[in-house]
Amino acid sequence: QSALTQPRSVSGSPGQSVTISCTGTSSDVGGYTYVSWYQQHPGKAPKLMIYDVIERPSGVPDRFSGSKSGNTASLTISGLQAEDEADYYCCSYAGSFNWVFGGGTKLTVL
Amino acid sequence: QVQLVQSGAEVKKPGASVKVSCKASGYTFTSNYMHWVRQAPGHGLEWMGIINPSGGTTYSSQNFQGRVTMTRDTSTNTFSMEMSSLRFEDTAVYYCGRAGSNHFDNWGQGTLVTVSS
Repeated sequence: QSALTQPRSVSGSPGQSVTISCTGTSSDVGGYTYVSWYQQHPGKAPKLMIYDVIERPSGVPDRFSGSKSGNTASLTISGLQAEDEADYYCCSYAGSFNWVFGGGTKLTVL
Repeated sequence: QVQLVQSGAEVKKPGASVKVSCKASGYTFTSNYMHWVRQAPGHGLEWMGIINPSGGTTYSSQNFQGRVTMTRDTSTNTFSMEMSSLRFEDTAVYYCGRAGSNHFDNWGQGTLVTVSS
């Protein structure tokens, strides 16, 4: 199972919006509505930000939103804040009790 | 609230085995599967496997089949992951992650395993 493809880095200024893409195949991202996104600050455990493509857990700001088209899922962060600077990982269910992560994207808030 | 507390850092020699534990609290132990995920230094997250706490059935990534054993102890609400035949490239932080429907809704704090001669 190959890792999902994410851009290595993205950046934006405070208040702007950024979108992080996550490309897989019809066997994972395209085949299920089970894409999730995680935020990870340095030295910390990942934190769930989006699940089931578009759902936001309680406590996650509505500045974070998810979407999917075909084999590509996306995480959009609007109204960027300094504390959003972190690594972001997508993850997809890949069938038969298998999950696959993306390689991760470093978000820099300029 | 859900808490997943992992065991402490380990240093092992190549060829040895390591066992990492994850004690769960704040929810019904048998209601959620548990994943194991690792992260090598400077690298991304890698899914390792999942265990059903009710029957103990496990599913592993092909990358780890034969080297990883996942277990659970319902008397102590503890999950464990044992990796054998350690290599230098197994140096990583190992996480347990509670399964939501098809995501990871709570994570342990991570356990650093260092493989060094």
